[in-house]
Order: sequence, then structure tokens, then C-alpha cells
Amino acid sequence: QQQVKQSPQSLIVQKGGISIINCAYENTAFDYFPWYQQFPGKGPALLIAIRPDVSEKKEGRFTISFNKSAKQFSLHIMDSQPGDSATYFCAASHGSSNTGKLIFGQGTTLQVKP
Amino acid sequence: DAGVTQSPTHLIKTRGQHVTLRCSPISGHKSVSWYQQVLGQGPQFIFQYYEKEERGRGNFPDRFSARQFPNYSSELNVNALLLGDSALYLCASSVQGRPGPYNEQFFGPGTRLTVL
Repeated sequence: QQQVKQSPQSLIVQKGGISIINCAYENTAFDYFPWYQQFPGKGPALLIAIRPDVSEKKEGRFTISFNKSAKQFSLHIMDSQPGDSATYFCAASHGSSNTGKLIFGQGTTLQVKP
Repeated sequence: DAGVTQSPTHLIKTRGQHVTLRCSPISGHKSVSWYQQVLGQGPQFIFQYYEKEERGRGNFPDRFSARQFPNYSSELNVNALLLGDSALYLCASSVQGRPGPYNEQFFGPGTRLTVL
């Protein structure tokens, strides 16, 4: 119940295309869903995050879509660029927990071809 | 402003040895969390410290321990190293204890530990 399942494991997209990464969770107590971007040799950096009281959040080329009834959320990268090539992680945190624990998905390696 | 800093950057140890990893949070941040990231997987939560008290512990053996100092920096200690402890150890800091929209966790670059 504490897992966050992420797919696909890897993704290849042409420059200018749309990259879509999906995540699913079981625990309905999760109330914060961030997406992190990680480049090789670096720590994860927050990209965008959403709470379950909204169905969509957009920041520039990045959009999170959230489906509370299906317990799924996804990251859409519009107009994908070679500089977006990185590993992306979805994550979730437990609403009633008093800890800083983030539960991460397994990661998606994105390659954007020029 | 300096981000989260971690030391050392890389470390090579042999089985059975002990290791200490260090983390300095962003100035003003009182919470430090430690994560283990095995190659090809997402980070896994090890510990969180907030205001120098342990607030959470992940599913890791007692060989793993941590502490937070009065200046909010933190150490992660691992005893009796096993080959499976080889990973990138990440430290994240935040202002408060619970992740949320106004309490982003900022990650450091990590310490790459190799156990031979």
C-alpha cells in the first residue's frame, strides 16, 4: 500500500514531441504528489507538484494530470527538448504522517532525440 | 544561496567497515532526510530529523543510524558494511517536517558509496 508504481521504465521521444509518464498509487492517504527530475551525477530536483484537490497543474511545458478516483497521476512534457533528457521520478507523501518521508516510483529514463 | 551540500562526493569501503556521511542543509532549513538510491531505482527513505529529533525511520536495519546537530547539519552512519549498501546516499532538507506544497524538499548531489 506504500508503493508508487511508475511506467514506462524508459521513453524515447523526438524533439518537439510530447513525453508522458504515468504513476499509480494505492494509499488514499497520500496528499502530495511531486515529480522530480534527475540528471546523471546530480540529486533529484523538484519539477512540479500537485495536491489531490485539483485535477491538473501546468507550469510552462510541464503538466501534471491527476485522477483521484483511479489513483493515478501523470506528467506531460510538451514540446520535449534534448535538454529534457533525464530520469524522472514521481513521488507521494502521506497526509497524516508527521515525517518527511517521500515514497518514490522506480523512475523513467527519458531520451529526447534531436 | 548555497544548496544542500554533502561530503564526501565518493567513497570506497570494504565489507565490514564503518562509514560516516555528512550533510549540510540549506540555511534556515530545520529538517534533514536521508535516502538511499540504488542504481536504476528510485530513492528509498532512510531517516528524517527535524529540530534534532528523529521523526521517521524507513525499513533499514539497525546498522544504519543518524543524528542531527544543533546547527541542523546531519550525519548518516552505516556499520558493518555489506556489498548491498553500495548506492548513492542523498540528503534532502526542508524548512519544516512534512513534505508539501509550501515545504519542498531540496536534495543534495549525494555521496556515491561503493562497498568492495
